Amino acid sequence: QQQVKQSPQSLIVQKGGISIINCAYENTAFDYFPWYQQFPGKGPALLIAIRPDVSEKKEGRFTISFNKSAKQFSLHIMDSQPGDSATYFCAASTNTGGFKTIFGAGTRLFVKA
Amino acid sequence: DAGVTQSPTHLIKTRGQQVTLRCSPKSGHDTVSWYQQALGQGPQFIFQYYEEEERQRGNFPDRFSGHQFPNYSSELNVNALLLGDSALYLCASSSDNSNQPQHFGDGTRLSIL
Repeated sequence: QQQVKQSPQSLIVQKGGISIINCAYENTAFDYFPWYQQFPGKGPALLIAIRPDVSEKKEGRFTISFNKSAKQFSLHIMDSQPGDSATYFCAASTNTGGFKTIFGAGTRLFVKA
Repeated sequence: DAGVTQSPTHLIKTRGQQVTLRCSPKSGHDTVSWYQQALGQGPQFIFQYYEEEERQRGNFPDRFSGHQFPNYSSELNVNALLLGDSALYLCASSSDNSNQPQHFGDGTRLSIL
């Protein structure tokens, strides 16, 4: 019940295309859903986050779509760029930062120039 | 404004040894969480410290212990090291009185021979 399932494991997208990563969770107590971007040799960096009281949040080229009834959420990267090539993690917690965060297994994104 | 800093960046130990990793939280943060990230996996929550006490713990054995100091910095100790303890150990800090998310350091890469 504490798991967050993420797919796909890897993704190859052409420059300018849309990258889509999906996640699903079981624990309905989760109320904060962040996405992290991680480059090799670096720690995860917060990209964008959403709470279940909204269905969509957009920040620049990054959009989270959230389906509370299905317990699913996804990250869309519009106009994908080679610099977006990284590993992306979805996550869930019961508090913004005050409690443990459960991470998905990650998606390795490669954007072809 | 310094972010989360961790030391050392890399460490090599042998089975059975003990190790101590260190973390300085982002300025203004009072809560420190530790995660273990195995190669190709998402970070796994180890435990969290707040007000110098362990507040939450993930599914890790007692060989993993920690400490938080009055200046909010923290240590992660691992005893009787096993080959399977080889991983990137990440520290994340947050403010318990804020709606702000966790900030991660770049981690300590621990290799067990």
